[in-house]
Amino acid sequence: GAVVSQHPSRVICKSGTSVKIECRSLDFQATTMFWYRQFPKQSLMLMATSNEGSKATYEQGVEKDKFLINHASLTLSTLTVTSAHPEDSSFYICSASGTGQETQYFGPGTRLLVL
Amino acid sequence: DAKTTQPPSMDCAEGRAANLPCNHSTISGNEYVYWYRQIHSQGPQYIIHGLKNNETNEMASLIITEDRKSSTLILPHATLRDTAVYYCIVRPGGFKTIFGAGTRLFVKA
Repeated sequence: GAVVSQHPSRVICKSGTSVKIECRSLDFQATTMFWYRQFPKQSLMLMATSNEGSKATYEQGVEKDKFLINHASLTLSTLTVTSAHPEDSSFYICSASGTGQETQYFGPGTRLLVL
Repeated sequence: DAKTTQPPSMDCAEGRAANLPCNHSTISGNEYVYWYRQIHSQGPQYIIHGLKNNETNEMASLIITEDRKSSTLILPHATLRDTAVYYCIVRPGGFKTIFGAGTRLFVKA
């Protein structure tokens, strides 16, 4: 199956700083990428959908100014958590699908801890 | 997305077949049935998907009832590494994936 990578796999930062997470599709062109967040013992929650070259569409309740998403190329999307606070500590997961692909493929996730 | 109903947890003996049910009584004609699993602290892994025919791949088999209102994921010979949360998702192809609570499968030695 298609491969999606994320970097970094885990990050610790101080409260008030910004953190960037990268999501890459390694062997296919990802026209659409999705960002999810998962808190302990809960299911994945979709945050936003991004199409290459256009603005992301955020799910209800997700602050677009806090979670900046860029999808500038067909193989890379980035999620920047701005002015991170301890409540932003979570497992962030991206997924990607290509044109005509019925299936989304998920990255391994990035664990963020904000102190 | 159509709503799915899965049991919260199931047990299976190692080496036996694991049969995970999913109800999706409000599924629409253009919606596929997808199965993913998530092993602890990892991203979800795609397993299989189908529209109306039964499907099989190297990981599992997917049995969809004729009326498409329910399906079963079959892991033919479960191993300890199959312990995970299994998600049944119904959606049109290419649409965003919304996750429910899934079924927590415990494979026991």
